[in-house]
Amino acid sequence: GEDVEQSLFLSVREGDSSVINCTYTDSSSTYLYWYKQEPGAGLQLLTYIFSNMDMKQDQRLTVLLNKKDKHLSLRIADTQTGDSAIYFCAENPTGTYKYIFGTGTRLKVLA
Amino acid sequence: GAVVSQHPSWVICKSGTSVKIECRSLDFQATTMFWYRQFPKQSLMLMATSNEGSKATYEQGVEKDKFLINHASLTLSTLTVTSAHPEDSSFYICSARGYITGANTEAFFGQGTRLTVV
Repeated sequence: GEDVEQSLFLSVREGDSSVINCTYTDSSSTYLYWYKQEPGAGLQLLTYIFSNMDMKQDQRLTVLLNKKDKHLSLRIADTQTGDSAIYFCAENPTGTYKYIFGTGTRLKVLA
Repeated sequence: GAVVSQHPSWVICKSGTSVKIECRSLDFQATTMFWYRQFPKQSLMLMATSNEGSKATYEQGVEKDKFLINHASLTLSTLTVTSAHPEDSSFYICSARGYITGANTEAFFGQGTRLTVV
């Protein structure tokens, strides 16, 4: 089957940069999203990128999009302990209301 | 961002009883609501999509008679787990899309409901 894939775990030291990668499935997706989920909580939208963009920067967050390879990444600069959470990428294929979520990456920030 | 409120945050019920979970959009009209189920350490699995005033569209493998979804107004959708069993224990999350000042919104998520069936 076709899954939106992410690496399961990432561990970084406080102050370092984190890069979370995602390979999505549908090249027609107009928007691609990054969500953060803290333990026992719902999902918080962090940022999104329009499919005709290569990069989007929002404070400590940088999103890179490679449409040819259907690869999306999220870079968190100066990672803090409060950034420890699960991060999901999601695509919204054109013509549907559905969001298809990645498998999630658990980020652990070491003090 | 817009606020989606989900209630209750957690619930424990006896096997065989029914449980209702509410999802409200507080500051926008939610034309479409989604219900997800999340197993521990796994991603979100879409259960069903509902449009206001219409019957919900269920994903393959989701029993519509067991998971009753009602989206009677632009601000409220409910998920009722009927005759719950321990295997229904999970984290249920709703999300909503709609319109704010004429523009279509992305999906906003509720805080989730942890259901434990004993």
